[in-house]
Amino acid sequence: GEDVEQSLFLSVREGDSSVINCTYTDSSSTYLYWYKQEPGAGLQLLTYIFSNMDMKQDQRLTVLLNKKDKHLSLRIADTQTGDSAIYFCAEKDSGYSTLTFGKGTMLLVSP
Amino acid sequence: DTAVSQTPKYLVTQMGNDKSIKCEQNLGHDTMYWYKQDSKKFLKIMFSYNNKELIINETVPNRFSPKSPDKAHLNLHINSLELGDSAVYFCASRNRAANTEAFFGQGTRLTVV
Repeated sequence: GEDVEQSLFLSVREGDSSVINCTYTDSSSTYLYWYKQEPGAGLQLLTYIFSNMDMKQDQRLTVLLNKKDKHLSLRIADTQTGDSAIYFCAEKDSGYSTLTFGKGTMLLVSP
Repeated sequence: DTAVSQTPKYLVTQMGNDKSIKCEQNLGHDTMYWYKQDSKKFLKIMFSYNNKELIINETVPNRFSPKSPDKAHLNLHINSLELGDSAVYFCASRNRAANTEAFFGQGTRLTVV
C-alpha cells in the first residue's frame, strides 16, 4: 500500500529558509500536495505539483520533486513566525483519488 | 462563503451515545470524504462518496455510518461512541471528474468521555 514519510519536527529562526522533506512509495501518484495546519484549524492547501514536473515555485514556496527517488520537498524562503504550523505531505491515489497523508512535520519558527 | 463547512466544530459526549457530524460543500464538487485525525495528528481516510455513491470504505467500525442525501452533503453518524473515537474528523471535497485538489473543512473535534 501507499506510504508517505516525513520528519516530525523542524525548528528554524525567523528569516531563515525552511526545508521540509517527504518520501512516498506509490510510483503511480499523479499529484503530490503540501497542506498546512495551524493550531486548532483545518487543512489548508498550500501548493501541489504534478508528477511530470520537477519544480514548482509559488512566491516564498518552492516544491522540488525527485520522481526517481520518490522524494518531495517544500522550501519556505524567509520563514516567518506565522509559518509555524504542521505541514502535511500527501499523495493522490491513482485509483479512487483519495489522499494518503504523511504524519506531518511541525515547523516552529523562533524570532 | 465557506467552501466546506462542518458542524459542530466541537462535540463532547458520553460513551455509548449516538452522534452526527454534518458536512456541506458549496463548490459543486462530485466527491466528498471523511478523514480522521487522531491525537498524534495522523490523518487517515475513512469514507469517500462520489455522486452520492459510496466508493471507499476503509477499515472503519460499522458503528460509523456515512449518509449522503445529495452531492453537496456528507454526514457522519456514529453509534455507541467509544473513548477511542475521540479525534478530529475532517470532511473534504473535490471535483474528481475535473481532477481538482481537495478542499477541507475546519474539522470537528470529538471528545468522548
